Amino acid sequence: DTAVSQTPKYLVTQMGNDKSIKCEQNLGHDTMYWYKQDSKKFLKIMFSYNNKELIINETVPNRFSPKSPDKAHLNLHINSLELGDSAVYFCASSPNSGGSSYNEQFFGPGTRLTVL
Amino acid sequence: GENVEQHPSTLSVQEGDSAVIKCTYSDSASNYFPWYKQELGKRPQLIIDIRSNVGEKKDQRIAVTLNKTAKHFSLHITETQPEDSAVYFCAATSRGGTALIFGKGTTLSVSS
Repeated sequence: DTAVSQTPKYLVTQMGNDKSIKCEQNLGHDTMYWYKQDSKKFLKIMFSYNNKELIINETVPNRFSPKSPDKAHLNLHINSLELGDSAVYFCASSPNSGGSSYNEQFFGPGTRLTVL
Repeated sequence: GENVEQHPSTLSVQEGDSAVIKCTYSDSASNYFPWYKQELGKRPQLIIDIRSNVGEKKDQRIAVTLNKTAKHFSLHITETQPEDSAVYFCAATSRGGTALIFGKGTTLSVSS
């Protein structure tokens, strides 16, 4: 019954490496998101895609590049990893975005990234 | 930019007591206000939400109130239980409704 799934669940890597996190939702939602949750538990939006189109691109380093091959998938690729990238990354999806019919966001289980 | 302030950052109560968490938002166009509960090592999960055309909503032991004039909303948990212990996040829509901006979270501890 997994609605929003992410892989991998844990990712430990060295500084300077490039890594990807994958996200898939089987809810038929139009909009997908990536959030970063730091050690202080602050949830900060990074990117949002609606039907494969980028609609939010927060002030994140351009080492982070999202890719949406179709509306059910939103992957996050990170180049040249740094110590400060260590965090839990959550993918989420919602039925739509904008207007008065904004709806619940469903979160994935998270990917704990540790950069050594 | 848009901002959501949440207080307190930590809250400790005895089992059976009530807990109240308060949030304020800056974007006057915000029209949807969800509350998420995140248990240790788990994903955030929606526990209750309220839209701008409603002032109060209740679901069993939890209730949310919204004051659009003052731009603040609150979460009320009555008869708290140890399993209510978690981090609670408020959020408000922003960017014309394309994003949720989250508060910094409240760590609630319920002791028996």
